[in-house]
Amino acid sequence: AQRVTQPEKLLSVFKGAPVELKCNYSYSGSPELFWYVQYSRQRLQLLLRHISRESIKGFTADLNKGETSFHLKKPFAQEEDSAMYYCALNGLTGGGNKLTFGTGTQLKVEL
Amino acid sequence: DAGITQSPRHKVTETGTPVTLRCHQTENHRYMYWYRQDPGHGLRLIHYSYGVKDTDKGEVSDGYSVSRSKTEDFLLTLESATSSQTSVYFCATSPAGDYEQYFGPGTRLTVT
Repeated sequence: AQRVTQPEKLLSVFKGAPVELKCNYSYSGSPELFWYVQYSRQRLQLLLRHISRESIKGFTADLNKGETSFHLKKPFAQEEDSAMYYCALNGLTGGGNKLTFGTGTQLKVEL
Repeated sequence: DAGITQSPRHKVTETGTPVTLRCHQTENHRYMYWYRQDPGHGLRLIHYSYGVKDTDKGEVSDGYSVSRSKTEDFLLTLESATSSQTSVYFCATSPAGDYEQYFGPGTRLTVT
């Protein structure tokens, strides 16, 4: 079975402070990890995926297989980063790109 | 946005009535998915489709059925709605099995 854990329901930081949204996963195979973001009144959208190794909107995430983690980081939070963030795992079991989502972390960036 | 629409966007219905939600896409994506979003649970997969007439169950499929008679439409039916099915339902599409998923705007369903 595959599982994604996001331990924080709400993370509140001040503008300019570093941000780290935690994500841990459980999967027996080689996982593919994603971060999706949902801004207020907008659709859920892909933020980044580990295989692309990109930095999107200043966010990065490194897959740590030893710690089974895929934490999302940004050195300096901006007000526009306030949103709901979901970590997701694609176990590619049985085909079909079935994503298992974590419960989400609401990021609030305060001025 | 990836040309994904959902209808209706809001619906209130009574316990025991059948309900059908529609997802329509104009991207010719092969894969389509139905999720429900609930506080404390995140998004959970209900059913998905990997082609016309090809569907499979997800994590929380009990009480739901789906149909896909053409590429662009994926229907989710609640055979007999219950209060536990009050939720926000999201449709998503993907062109391939290992590609990004694109989400619709969501349907807020309330079962009274």
